[in-house]
Amino acid sequence: GENVEQHPSTLSVQEGDSAVIKCTYSDSASNYFPWYKQELGKRPQLIIDIRSNVGEKKDQRIAVTLNKTAKHFSLHITETQPEDSAVYFCAASKSFGNEKLTFGTGTRLTIIP
Amino acid sequence: SAVISQKPSRDICQRGTSLTIQCQVDSQVTMMFWYRQQPGQSLTLIATANQGSEATYESGFVIDKFPISRPNLTFSTLTVSNMSPEDSSIYLCSVDGLAGELFFGEGSRLTVL
Repeated sequence: GENVEQHPSTLSVQEGDSAVIKCTYSDSASNYFPWYKQELGKRPQLIIDIRSNVGEKKDQRIAVTLNKTAKHFSLHITETQPEDSAVYFCAASKSFGNEKLTFGTGTRLTIIP
Repeated sequence: SAVISQKPSRDICQRGTSLTIQCQVDSQVTMMFWYRQQPGQSLTLIATANQGSEATYESGFVIDKFPISRPNLTFSTLTVSNMSPEDSSIYLCSVDGLAGELFFGEGSRLTVL
């Protein structure tokens, strides 16, 4: 089955700097890669996703890049703010909708004011 | 996005007892997914619940321990049977949105003493 690895497990950045979280996956058939943000005591919430037909997607300060050849994808957060502090999970599945999502182990991001 | 309500939001249970978690969605969905998130850990899929058929369980999870009901297209229950302290986790119900993205309920935090 699919295996998703995520690095780093913890990340601290100065407010205003950029943060990058990286994930690798094992199943070459995977083609949907969402990212979730989980604040303390809250549910995971989808912040951005990418499908295998594109290499990059951007939404304001958040961007995701995908390298299908190398089987890795990354989350980039620019101009970080204190409210970006949370645990971030990457995930992978063979399609979107009605397909099992395999999650990475999570990255605890702390923004230092 | 779908509105997903879970009950109870939290509970403290005694070893050896069982607890049923309810999940209600504000729209009809084909599949509902039950995830477990152990303290400080990632999300692991327990099973996929289809209306009108038996749930499909992931490796390491069995029906006797986690029986699931799916009586209609907006409701599902997950029972955690014969609980032990190792079952202390957050249990999350999730459904697919219109574009195939996964939405989570608020979760049910179980503590087993």
